[in-house]
Formats: sequence, C-alpha cells, structure tokens
Amino acid sequence: AQSVTQLGSHVSVSEGALVLLRCNYSSSVPPYLFWYVQYPNQGLQLLLKYTSAATLVKGINGFEAEFKKSETSFHLTKPSAHMSDAAEYFCAVRSYNQGGKLIFGQGTELSVKP
Amino acid sequence: DTAVSQTPKYLVTQMGNDKSIKCEQNLGHDTMYWYKQDSKKFLKIMFSYNNKELIINETVPNRFSPKSPDKAHLNLHINSLELGDSAVYFCASSLSGPTQETQYFGPGTRLLVL
Repeated sequence: AQSVTQLGSHVSVSEGALVLLRCNYSSSVPPYLFWYVQYPNQGLQLLLKYTSAATLVKGINGFEAEFKKSETSFHLTKPSAHMSDAAEYFCAVRSYNQGGKLIFGQGTELSVKP
Repeated sequence: DTAVSQTPKYLVTQMGNDKSIKCEQNLGHDTMYWYKQDSKKFLKIMFSYNNKELIINETVPNRFSPKSPDKAHLNLHINSLELGDSAVYFCASSLSGPTQETQYFGPGTRLLVL
C-alpha cells in the first residue's frame, strides 16, 4: 500500500529564512508525488508535482522539491520565506491501482514570523 | 472563470436532516472526486467517478450517496446527518488515462451539523 508521512505538523520560520517541509513516501512502484498548498478557508492549490521526468521539480511561488529515491523523500523547499507563504501544505502520492486517488500526508502548517 | 466550483460554500444544519452539495467543473475532465477534510485537516478520498461511473467508494457510510448526472457534475447527497459529518468536503477533477496526474480542487463546502 502507498502512504505519505509529513514530519512536523507545524513549522515556523522567520521572513527571509529557508523553508523546508519534509515528506517521506512509501510505494512499491515508482510514485507520482504532489505538493498542495491550502490557504485559510480555501481549497487546495497545486504547488508542484513529480512524474519521473526530473528529480528536481520547480513549482509556483518559488517552491521546489527534490525526489530522492534512496531516501524515499520528496521534501519541499523555498530559499526565502515570505509572509504570504503562511498556509497548510500537503504532500500526496497518487494511487496506481485505486482509481488514481490521492493519498495525503497529515499536513504541515507553515507560520512565517516578521 | 472558476475551474471547479462547489455550492454551497457553507452549510449549517441540524442533526437528522438531509442535505446536498453540488460540484461542477469546466475543465473538460472526465474524472471527479469527493474528499473529506476532518477537523485535524486530514484529507481522505470518499468517492470517484469516471464518465459518470463510480470507480472508488472508500468505505463511506451508505448515508452518503454521490450522483453524477454528466461528466461535468458530481453531487453529494447526505441523509440523516450526524454530528461526525461536520467537516470540509472538497470536490476535485482530473483527466483519466496516462495524463491523470493533477487533480484540481474546488473551494470546499464547510458543513456544520448541530
């Protein structure tokens, strides 16, 4: 079975500091991995996705993630945090054999201090 | 133009009532989903339809009945509402086949059962 684990339910950084949100996956087949962002009282917006084309994936708003098979990780980073980055972030893996459903991690709330 | 829309955005109702949530997408997708986000922000698939055919039913109580009148619409009807049904319900859509990668989410319907 596929699964995703996000380490840290809450991460706090200062404005301008590096953002690092951790995601580890479990999958017996090459995974399709996603990062979504959810701003307060809004839906989920795709930040970026890994579909085996390149291990370093660049997304919107300056975010990027690196797929590391040896570490079964897909951590999300941004060099310099902005106040507007404060939100909930979800890592997800797409199921291969169950209708393509997304299996989500527990989410990480990012706070940005001025 | 909103890609995936849901109505209503907020729904407050009494225990035991029956209610419906509507979802429409104008992306030309053939697969639609319902996800439930609980109070801890955990997201889990409920249903998925492909070309109006049910393909995922994730052990959801039979008080929940999805209906897809056409590829662009997926509605969720809930009978005999219970306190535990209080959550945010997200509709999503995607293409099926090899490009079934990105799921686009609606803004969510915040259901509160009193």
